[in-house]
Amino acid sequence: QSALTQEASVSGTVGQKVTLSCIGNSNNIGRYAVGWYQQVSHGPPKTVMFGDSLSSGIPDRFSGSKSGTIASLTISGLQPEDEADYYCSTRDSSLSGWVFGGGTKLTVL
Amino acid sequence: EVQLVESGGTLVQPGGSLRLSCVASGFTFSSYEMKWVRQAPGKGLEWVSYISSNDVFTYYADSVKGRFTISRDNRKNSVHLHMNSLRAEDTAMYFCVLDDGGFDIWGQGTMVIVSS
Repeated sequence: QSALTQEASVSGTVGQKVTLSCIGNSNNIGRYAVGWYQQVSHGPPKTVMFGDSLSSGIPDRFSGSKSGTIASLTISGLQPEDEADYYCSTRDSSLSGWVFGGGTKLTVL
Repeated sequence: EVQLVESGGTLVQPGGSLRLSCVASGFTFSSYEMKWVRQAPGKGLEWVSYISSNDVFTYYADSVKGRFTISRDNRKNSVHLHMNSLRAEDTAMYFCVLDDGGFDIWGQGTMVIVSS
């Protein structure tokens, strides 16, 4: 069981807005910035954003936010190329390390 | 361009040892923290280990603590993962990760299979 909780799957149609969530606790998301990673067809992951800042080359239809112990990744104007697995991750003070969510499989219908 | 190239993954018997390597280029390696992250077949990502830029601090996931050791050679722009007492559950793709202030950059990975 992952330290961070993500939806197993989310789907949307082209152009739709979707939000992926990542639930943690006061030792991880409540304390540190959250990173979001995109993995297409089990290739290497790519950082989408960290905190509320986009990674270089990532389109601005992606945005991130955090409220308390819940982080969210929103994609406004879903595109076919956004279909991938998305993982959230952050540090955890109780584990002296990093934790990941179980990943969300995003399907573009 | 930042490049991370992992090597060393192979088929190994349970209880065996292996050393993974990651050679970096395209940035000032000695200024950055590095991590190893793994992914078992069909599963999610799991953080394995971390090493600070100056080699002073190292951290490990509970699942590998006491069996794996992370090290780095800033003269050779490389980071290593020494893996002992390997178990079937260590079977995974191992990714070398550059921690650029949270904007992680990932290598292509190297596959480790622990099986008799």
